[in-house]
Amino acid sequence: DAKTTQPTSMDCAEGRAANLPCNHSTISGNEYVYWYRQIHSQGPQYIIHGLKNNETNEMASLIITEDRKSSTLILPHATLRDTAVYYCIGMYSGGGADGLTFGKGTHLIIQP
Amino acid sequence: GAVVSQHPSWVICKSGTSVKIECRSLDFQATTMFWYRQFPKQSLMLMATSNEGSKATYEQGVEKDKFLINHASLTLSTLTVTSAHPEDSSFYICSARDRVYYGYTFGSGTRLTVV
Repeated sequence: DAKTTQPTSMDCAEGRAANLPCNHSTISGNEYVYWYRQIHSQGPQYIIHGLKNNETNEMASLIITEDRKSSTLILPHATLRDTAVYYCIGMYSGGGADGLTFGKGTHLIIQP
Repeated sequence: GAVVSQHPSWVICKSGTSVKIECRSLDFQATTMFWYRQFPKQSLMLMATSNEGSKATYEQGVEKDKFLINHASLTLSTLTVTSAHPEDSSFYICSARDRVYYGYTFGSGTRLTVV
């Protein structure tokens, strides 16, 4: 799986868009970019994933650069409940037989 | 969507006793389940992979005789922490893969405190 690099922490004002970057310069052509988040003392929650094209669902949007070396997770209207650690993970479709490798993630703090 | 139920959500046990944690996939069959451990202010670390009907595969440094994993059906995996010690106190999280969609779904975690 590709190594990913994320900022350690970020602040965002409530109601504003939160943009979380992730670098994955070693990602291979058939590795997807997955985003999970972990709210304090809970299990990780799936947010979104993508391969090449930008993706959007009810939770977030995922913008992947054309060269696929980086991506940005966008929470369009952040709320206090979005305060969590966000993990960007490179993973082959289907995941193979391996568990996920979590990096340190980005601790997003939504300020009232 | 896929739901994974993990029980108990927290447990306190005495040093030297054993604790069992259950992980159930409620609405899908899980060929493979994973167990993670998370210490305070750290990320999740994969402990082991369990496959239905076969022996679990443990990550380097994880004692298989201490952390017993049983995956007897497509919807249930259990982790037993044997002869628990205070250093085993941690947040344990299971994850299951949907055999159809291959997505990863996580349980809500178990906070283990060994006193």
